[in-house]
Amino acid sequence: GAVVSQHPSRVICKSGTSVKIECRSLDFQATTMFWYRQFPKQSLMLMATSNEGSKATYEQGVEKDKFLINHASLTLSTLTVTSAHPEDSSFYICSVTRSRGPTSTDTQYFGPGTRLTVL
Amino acid sequence: DAKTTQPPSMDCAEGRAANLPCNHSTISGNEYVYWYRQIHSQGPQYIIHGLKNNETNEMASLIITEDRKSSTLILPHATLRDTAVYYCIPRGGATSGTYKYIFGTGTRLKVLA
Repeated sequence: GAVVSQHPSRVICKSGTSVKIECRSLDFQATTMFWYRQFPKQSLMLMATSNEGSKATYEQGVEKDKFLINHASLTLSTLTVTSAHPEDSSFYICSVTRSRGPTSTDTQYFGPGTRLTVL
Repeated sequence: DAKTTQPPSMDCAEGRAANLPCNHSTISGNEYVYWYRQIHSQGPQYIIHGLKNNETNEMASLIITEDRKSSTLILPHATLRDTAVYYCIPRGGATSGTYKYIFGTGTRLKVLA
């Protein structure tokens, strides 16, 4: 497996503020990181794919100007929720994959998640 | 992307084997089948994956039908800690260029004491 951390684990903020969530790959270099969100009683929904050193690829319907992703190193990606509103309240989860090799199947390893509550 | 069908919920007695089915009839030839589970309020945990052959690791066994249209995850001796939502996810392999996981609704497994 792989160890992935997220910080903070839980955050409460006021409407209109911005919140940054960090995702760290602790025991291998992650070329690709993914960001998901999960609303209560629903499944995970992919928001964006983040490749180190390049712009993130966002899924249809996800606003790239609202959910800023930075993948500046092979072990760290950040998701910033800008001007958060109550409807952004959700469980945000990142995942990482090892650097791709010729026989890699790119298993994703997930972080513990960050619960965001916007008041 | 291949779509999956899983029963929404299952119960299993503690100590017995839990057999979780998944139908992925539209899977393509190079798509692996991955299984994860999610315990309440945690990130998904990787369990096992396979392409054509059956696989076994310390957590579970994966049985894939010969036509690859369905698979079964087997937890040989379920414990209360195995209570979780289990997801099967077809995913493109190393040569397909497909990285994304598309999560379905999964199976909510409840292990009963």
